[in-house]
Amino acid sequence: RKEVEQDPGPFNVPEGATVAFNCTYSNSASQSFFWYRQDCRKEPKLLMSVYSSGNEDGRFTAQLNRASQYISLLIRDSKLSDSATYLCVVTYTNAGKSTFGDGTTLTVKP
Amino acid sequence: DGGITQSPKYLFRKEGQNVTLSCEQNLNHDAMYWYRQDPGQGLRLIYYSQIVNDFQKGDIAEGYSVSREKKESFPLTVTSAQKNPTAFYLCASSIEVAKNIQYFGAGTRLSVL
Repeated sequence: RKEVEQDPGPFNVPEGATVAFNCTYSNSASQSFFWYRQDCRKEPKLLMSVYSSGNEDGRFTAQLNRASQYISLLIRDSKLSDSATYLCVVTYTNAGKSTFGDGTTLTVKP
Repeated sequence: DGGITQSPKYLFRKEGQNVTLSCEQNLNHDAMYWYRQDPGQGLRLIYYSQIVNDFQKGDIAEGYSVSREKKESFPLTVTSAQKNPTAFYLCASSIEVAKNIQYFGAGTRLSVL
């Protein structure tokens, strides 16, 4: 079993739709959590950090459920420009490194 | 402009050859990382460095080597022992290991001739 698992998708949604991704992690000692966005053949870029209380940035909402060991990303009112691969990242301070999920691919269609 | 610069953007390796990928950052970050990404897959950690003159193996270090002689620089050598080197290589840095956001360079695409 991978340390960090994501549904690879692809998720194909129409413009304006709401879509949610989940990411599960196996190490309960995980400390920090992030969502990154990666466009085709480009480097990953930080989308948002994930806090225990949940956090929102415009159309994007991130949630953390420590009891069930998963994080989620909700995108409301999807835009064509949201089409990308979304990577979840889990950081283990004791191990001194981060683990990336394999990513979930989103395609938003007109 | 502050950031991470990787070079070259594309690199071709002949069989039996060692090649070195460059990574330079001017963000004054202590920690630096090298990842490998294969098509349709996530990032796998090759090596990371928490501070100058120190580095640790990641999950797939075999066939690779690194050095960290300067804070700004973390070059990666793909040795001839790496039998399947074709991939997208990404360098990243963060203020300190594992606690902070990682910022990535634009990557180097390595192919075998």
